[in-house]
Amino acid sequence: DAGVIQSPRHEVTEMGQEVTLRCKPISGHDYLFWYRQTMMRGLELLIYFNNNVPIDDSGMPEDRFSAKMPNASFSTLKIQPSEPRDSAVYFCASSFGYLHYGYTFGSGTRLTVV
Amino acid sequence: AQSVTQLDSQVPVFEEAPVELRCNYSSSVSVYLFWYVQYPNQGLQLLLKYLSGSTLVKGINGFEAEFNKSQTSFHLRKPSVHISDTAEYFCAVSKGGGSYIPTFGRGTSLIVHP
Repeated sequence: DAGVIQSPRHEVTEMGQEVTLRCKPISGHDYLFWYRQTMMRGLELLIYFNNNVPIDDSGMPEDRFSAKMPNASFSTLKIQPSEPRDSAVYFCASSFGYLHYGYTFGSGTRLTVV
Repeated sequence: AQSVTQLDSQVPVFEEAPVELRCNYSSSVSVYLFWYVQYPNQGLQLLLKYLSGSTLVKGINGFEAEFNKSQTSFHLRKPSVHISDTAEYFCAVSKGGGSYIPTFGRGTSLIVHP
């Protein structure tokens, strides 16, 4: 398996623009997580899905953030409109079955909003 | 909710020296404990985990960690580090006995000098 695949690897956008981050989890994994990593706040859980259904989105910072998982092999995280404070590395991770098996993380998307 | 404290934000060490990265967590009846490693420009990778049984857990790349329930600690050790061990290390804890989302620490940057 190619692992968790995220695209794009880097994204530079202007303030106010819409940004869409993409994730393809490992085939067969039933949990999918979106994390944000910054120097100031560390690793933050934004939202997670189980069997394509959003379970907890309490970590989503504002209504400008939304996430979808239309099928088991694809998820998106959208920011509209983007702001400079959204600049961070966004990680997608997936897991199979019980969460204590551990996560597999993607390589992340480095987002810069100017 | 569980909390995790990684006492050192940065640990510099010379190559071939031993290293210990410290992790303490808030108390619970039972916990699952994890160490993840993040190499530059990559996602997090599971290094090792403690679920139950032996308190000494061996992981990949020669790392090991010891679960100490009385001290609520899960320190990571390696007897002899290599330059390639330079990375960010994250401790994570989840409530035991079920499928719970882990809480991640802020990370410790291990810097190995030649």
